[in-house]
Amino acid sequence: NAGVMQNPRHLVRRRGQEARLRCSPMKGHSHVYWYRQLPEEGLKFMVYLQKENIIDESGMPKERFSAEFPKEGPSILRIQQVVRGDSAAYFCASSLTPDRGHTEAFFGQGTRLTVV
Amino acid sequence: AQSVTQLDSQVPVFEEAPVELRCNYSSSVSVYLFWYVQYPNQGLQLLLKYLSGSTLVESINGFEAEFNKSQTSFHLRKPSVHISDTAEYFCAVSDTGNQFYFGTGTSLTVIP
Repeated sequence: NAGVMQNPRHLVRRRGQEARLRCSPMKGHSHVYWYRQLPEEGLKFMVYLQKENIIDESGMPKERFSAEFPKEGPSILRIQQVVRGDSAAYFCASSLTPDRGHTEAFFGQGTRLTVV
Repeated sequence: AQSVTQLDSQVPVFEEAPVELRCNYSSSVSVYLFWYVQYPNQGLQLLLKYLSGSTLVESINGFEAEFNKSQTSFHLRKPSVHISDTAEYFCAVSDTGNQFYFGTGTSLTVIP
């Protein structure tokens, strides 16, 4: 059973370009979480999604950021018109549905975005 | 909503000495508690978790944490640290809604 897969591992974008980060949850997991980790800072919650639904996006910046988790395919975190301040490590995690028993969140290896 | 406080951002400790990383949470409902470890340039890995039952939980590499409901704490301890324990440690809490809340992390540095 493969773990949470994130790609790419490293992404370099010029200011103003778009960044697309992908996350494939563990098999059987229908909950996905995105977190951002800035240098020397902790893990900041961004968004919590189920298949085709955004459950909680209270941590998402109001502009330029969006996330989706379609019925088929990976979850996508999209950052439009990137700026230098978007440079960070972005982590995806997945978990089972609550009605299948509570469990931990499983993390991917992260995508390190560098905006130049 | 829940919140997690890790008071110590950095903890240096000599090799083979004991260590305690503190974690307090705020919640008015039943919670589940976790400690994750992050090695440099890696993702987070689960270290141990409390879901129910015994309030003392242990990991395979010698760490343990005790759920203290009255003090709303879940401190992580190890009686004798090793160089390889140098990493970032995150405390997390989740509720029945499956939302996870993380502390800001504690950087443990083991000094030879």
